[in-house]
Amino acid sequence: GQSLEQPSEVTAVEGAIVQINCTYQTSGFYGLSWYQQHDGGAPTFLSYNALDGLEETGRFSSFLSRSDSYGYLLLQELQMKDSASYFCAVNPVAEVSTLTFGKGTMLLVSP
Amino acid sequence: ETGVTQTPRHLVMGMTNKKSLKCEQHLGHNAMYWYKQSAKKPLELMFVYNFKEQTENNSVPSRFSPECPNSSHLFLHLHTLQPEDSALYLCASSDGSNQPQHFGDGTRLSIL
Repeated sequence: GQSLEQPSEVTAVEGAIVQINCTYQTSGFYGLSWYQQHDGGAPTFLSYNALDGLEETGRFSSFLSRSDSYGYLLLQELQMKDSASYFCAVNPVAEVSTLTFGKGTMLLVSP
Repeated sequence: ETGVTQTPRHLVMGMTNKKSLKCEQHLGHNAMYWYKQSAKKPLELMFVYNFKEQTENNSVPSRFSPECPNSSHLFLHLHTLQPEDSALYLCASSDGSNQPQHFGDGTRLSIL
């Protein structure tokens, strides 16, 4: 089975850098994904790490270390609009893409 | 515009009612999913359809009945639901294995 752990809440100020960690226990997976969900909205895909290392997409970066069963999402130059919930998810080894999600981290960005 | 449209956005129903949730994707994807999102809990996968065939039923009670008439449409038929079924029901689609999933805005369901 799979289980993922994330902090429930993180707070930061505009312009700062914040790291949201995700530790997992899984029997095997293709990769680690990150999704953003604003209150009342749909989860939207942010990034995907199939291999160890850092993936950068603009202000957002994601990191995976399979040997440490650990990943993180790094958000730089924080803006108020980044206040949202962030979910890590793993793609278990399967024929059809299924996702197992963490409980999510609520990020609160203040002025 | 997310490419995945869900209706209705909000639904209030009694425990004896029968209703259906609808999902339509305009992305040409071949896999569609139903998720349940409750407060303080992870997103829970309910059903997976791949090329209109159900490939996963994640131990969902029979009061939830999915239907996938084609690759673009997915329904979730509801009957005799319980108060604990109140949640946000999200539909998603993807272009096969290991591809990002695209979510709809969800249906907020409240059971009286």
